[in-house]
Amino acid sequence: EDKVVQSPLSLVVHEGDTVTLNCSYEVTNFRSLLWYKQEKKAPTFLFMLTSSGIEKKSGRLSSILDKKELFSILNITATQTGDSAVYLCAVALTGANNLFFGTGTRLTVIP
Amino acid sequence: ETGVTQTPRHLVMGMTNKKSLKCEQHLGHNAMYWYKQSAKKPLELMFVYSLEERVENNSVPSRFSPECPNSSHLFLHLHTLQPEDSALYLCASSQEENSPLHFGNGTRLTVT
Repeated sequence: EDKVVQSPLSLVVHEGDTVTLNCSYEVTNFRSLLWYKQEKKAPTFLFMLTSSGIEKKSGRLSSILDKKELFSILNITATQTGDSAVYLCAVALTGANNLFFGTGTRLTVIP
Repeated sequence: ETGVTQTPRHLVMGMTNKKSLKCEQHLGHNAMYWYKQSAKKPLELMFVYSLEERVENNSVPSRFSPECPNSSHLFLHLHTLQPEDSALYLCASSQEENSPLHFGNGTRLTVT
C-alpha cells in the first residue's frame, strides 16, 4: 500500500529558529515529490522534486530529495510568524493522476 | 486570489438536501480535480478530469456526482449526504495531469 508519512506532526518554534520537516514515502512507481504550504484554506505549491541530491531553494525555504532512502526534507531558516502553516508533502506516481498526501506538519512560529 | 475560485465558501446542509459546489479556474489549465480534506486525515482524491473527460473516480460514493462542462468549470453535485461527509472540499487544477496542482480555497461543508 502506498503511503506518505510526515514528521513531526506539529512543531512550535521561536522567530529566527531554523526548522527541518521530514517526509518519508513508500510507493510503487515514484515520479516526483511535492511540498505545499497550507495556511488557512488553499494549499500553495512550494517545490517539486524529481532527482536525488539536487537542492531546490526559494528564499529561506529549501528542499532536497533522497530517492535511495525514500525521504525528503524541507528546511526553513530564520523563521517568521508568517511561516506558521501546515506543510504538506505529496508523492506523484508514474502512470497515475493522483497525488498521495501525508497528514502534514503543523508549524507554529511564535514571536 | 489563487486563480482557482470555489463557491460557496461555507455550506450547511441536511441529509435530504441537494446542493452543488462550484469551481472555476482562470489559469488555462487542462486538468481539474476534487479533493476531500477531513480533520487529521491526508487529502483524498475524489475525481480527476482531463480535457473535460473524467479519468479517475477514486471509489467515491454515488451521492457525490461530478460534472465538468468545459475545461474551466467543475461542479460537485451533492445529495443525501451523511454527517461523515462533513469536510473541506478542495478543487484544484493543473496544466496537465503530471504538473503541480493549484488549489482553490475550498468549500467547508457541514452535513447535519
